[in-house]
Amino acid sequence: DQQVKQNSPSLSVQEGRISILNCDYTNSMFDYFLWYKKYPAEGPTFLISISSIKDKNEDGRFTVFLNKSAKHLSLHIVPSQPGDSAVYFCAASAGNNDMRFGAGTRLTVKP
Amino acid sequence: GAGVSQSPSNKVTEKGKDVELRCDPISGHTALYWYRQSLGQGLEFLIYFQGNSAPDKSGLPSDRFSAERTGGSVSTLTIQRTQQEDSAVYLCASSLGGTSTDTQYFGPGTRLTVL
Repeated sequence: DQQVKQNSPSLSVQEGRISILNCDYTNSMFDYFLWYKKYPAEGPTFLISISSIKDKNEDGRFTVFLNKSAKHLSLHIVPSQPGDSAVYFCAASAGNNDMRFGAGTRLTVKP
Repeated sequence: GAGVSQSPSNKVTEKGKDVELRCDPISGHTALYWYRQSLGQGLEFLIYFQGNSAPDKSGLPSDRFSAERTGGSVSTLTIQRTQQEDSAVYLCASSLGGTSTDTQYFGPGTRLTVL
């Protein structure tokens, strides 16, 4: 039951350009969304979140956009840096502690 | 300060054996979560503890899986009679409180391989 989907398993961008990672969800009860970043052999680390009452949240080079009507969110990284190369997980919760994660998108930023 | 730690980092076992995976959360964090990530899949929620109690066991895939938490700190995930489909990375996370908006801090995971 994939309630959170990341349809692109990988993405490659040039350093300095924008990286856009996409995420779709099916459960309309989700009201809190997060992005996690994961390096090899490490656990995921929290990156940025957004509540369903907002449509945009920005933190430095990272911006998350939420389109509730389309049940879609995206993470924009600009400018992309080689150190951003990692697997990015989208996650969502419905006000409880059952957080659903997507399968992840592997981002490669080429120097 | 110390983050979430998990042991062992890698575990190879034979089908049918029992395994125990350990998680040490961040000191003072009341909530503790177990997830697993199978190859090519997202993180799958297994169980959540608030203190020593587990109000949500809905994610445990079968009765071969159990978990406990003692002293509001260390947690152990036990898998009995392991099967090959149990092979995955098992991740533990902790958060200060237990609300859905509390940031979860993850450990490095235990990679379980069942032969």
